[in-house]
Amino acid sequence: QQQVKQSPQSLIVQKGGISIINCAYENTAFDYFPWYQQFPGKGPALLIAIRPDVSEKKEGRFTISFNKSAKQFSLHIMDSQPGDSATYFCAAAANFNKFYFGSGTKLNVKP
Amino acid sequence: SAVISQKPSRDICQRGTSLTIQCQVDSQVTMMFWYRQQPGQSLTLIATANQGSEATYESGFVIDKFPISRPNLTFSTLTVSNMSPEDSSIYLCSVGLADEQYFGPGTRLTVT
Repeated sequence: QQQVKQSPQSLIVQKGGISIINCAYENTAFDYFPWYQQFPGKGPALLIAIRPDVSEKKEGRFTISFNKSAKQFSLHIMDSQPGDSATYFCAAAANFNKFYFGSGTKLNVKP
Repeated sequence: SAVISQKPSRDICQRGTSLTIQCQVDSQVTMMFWYRQQPGQSLTLIATANQGSEATYESGFVIDKFPISRPNLTFSTLTVSNMSPEDSSIYLCSVGLADEQYFGPGTRLTVT
C-alpha cells in the first residue's frame, strides 16, 4: 500500500511559470511533510518542510500548501527557472520515524 | 544542516562479491538510515541504524544480505553481500538532525 501518492509523474513548465506538485496521504499520524529536490547523480536535498499546525510555509520561491482535512499537501515553485529542472519527492513521517516517499515528479523548466 | 559523505561514490562489482559502503557525518546523530534508489525510482528504506542498538530492517531486507554497522554517532557502514545484478542501484545514507532528514550523495553500484 502506497502511503504517499504523488502527482504528476512529470511536468513541463515555461520559464517564469508556476510549477505545482501534489501529494496525498492516508495516515493521520503523519506530522512531518518534507519536500526533496534531486539532481541527476546527486542525493536528495531537503528543500522545504511543513508540520500540520500551519497551512502554508514559504521559503523564497518555494511554498508548501497543506490541507489537513483533505490530507493533501503541495509544492509550488514560483517564477520557475531552468535551474529548477530536477526530480522532486514529497515525503511524510510520524514522530520522525520511518519516512514514506512519493514516487517523484520530474520537472523540466523550458527556457 | 548535516554534511554527509559516502565512500565509494560508485563501483562496479562482480556477481557473488560483497561491497561495504561507508557513511560519515559531520555531526553526532542518533538516527541514521540506509535507502536504496533504483534508476528513475523513488527511495526505499532498507534499515534504520541507531547507535547502541541493532539495526531495524524493513520488510524485504534482511541482515544477512545487508549487514549494517554503527560503531559511533558519526559513522555507519552498509554491506551489500553476495551481490547479484538485481542489487544494481544507488545506495543512500541519511541522518536525522534537528527534526530534519538529510541525505548523502549516494553510492552508485553496478553488479555485472
